[in-house]
Amino acid sequence: KAGVTQTPRYLIKTRGQQVTLSCSPISGHRSVSWYQQTPGQGLQFLFEYFSETQRNKGNFPGRFSGRQFSNSRSEMNVSTLELGDSALYLCASSPEAGVSYNEQFFGPGTRLTVL
Amino acid sequence: GNSVTQMEGPVTLSEEAFLTINCTYTATGYPSLFWYVQYPGEGLQLLLKATKADDKGSNKGFEATYRKETTSFHLEKGSVQVSDSAVYFCALRLLQGAQKLVFGQGTRLTINP
Repeated sequence: KAGVTQTPRYLIKTRGQQVTLSCSPISGHRSVSWYQQTPGQGLQFLFEYFSETQRNKGNFPGRFSGRQFSNSRSEMNVSTLELGDSALYLCASSPEAGVSYNEQFFGPGTRLTVL
Repeated sequence: GNSVTQMEGPVTLSEEAFLTINCTYTATGYPSLFWYVQYPGEGLQLLLKATKADDKGSNKGFEATYRKETTSFHLEKGSVQVSDSAVYFCALRLLQGAQKLVFGQGTRLTINP
């Protein structure tokens, strides 16, 4: 089974631009979560989607948004980029939502650099 | 709130040394506990997990025991290898609801030959 794939792997943008990142979960997985990883803040939860619905959202400004499609693929969008948005964005998939002991399988991440 | 505190890094050991990385947590409910590992340039991989008190998770020679009385989930390995060099994250997820993982700050481990 293929793992979680994220595209693109690397991205360079300038302040004020917007960006869209994509995540394809493991086949059959319906829950997708997004995390931001930075040296200063560590790993922080952005949001979780299940069956095309956002189930949970972390403490991030409204510039961060996401969606999930009927095939469980997910995208996240960041508008009006700031320098502080430079980070590794990780996507994780899980078979279903609401089961705490289920493993989340992580993708390799998208490295976003904002200049 | 829910939080995870890990031993400060970086940690540098010689090959075949004994490893302990401390992890303690604060949770409002009954969490499942996880250790994830991140190798350079990669995403996170689940190393081991425990879902209830006194459970022991183990994988690849690593072990951690869910200690409810001390709210701890320390990672141990009896004899480390150079290939164990990575960043290790302790994390929790509550029994109710969200898939959200709450991570510790990570501990960078370097093993010298």
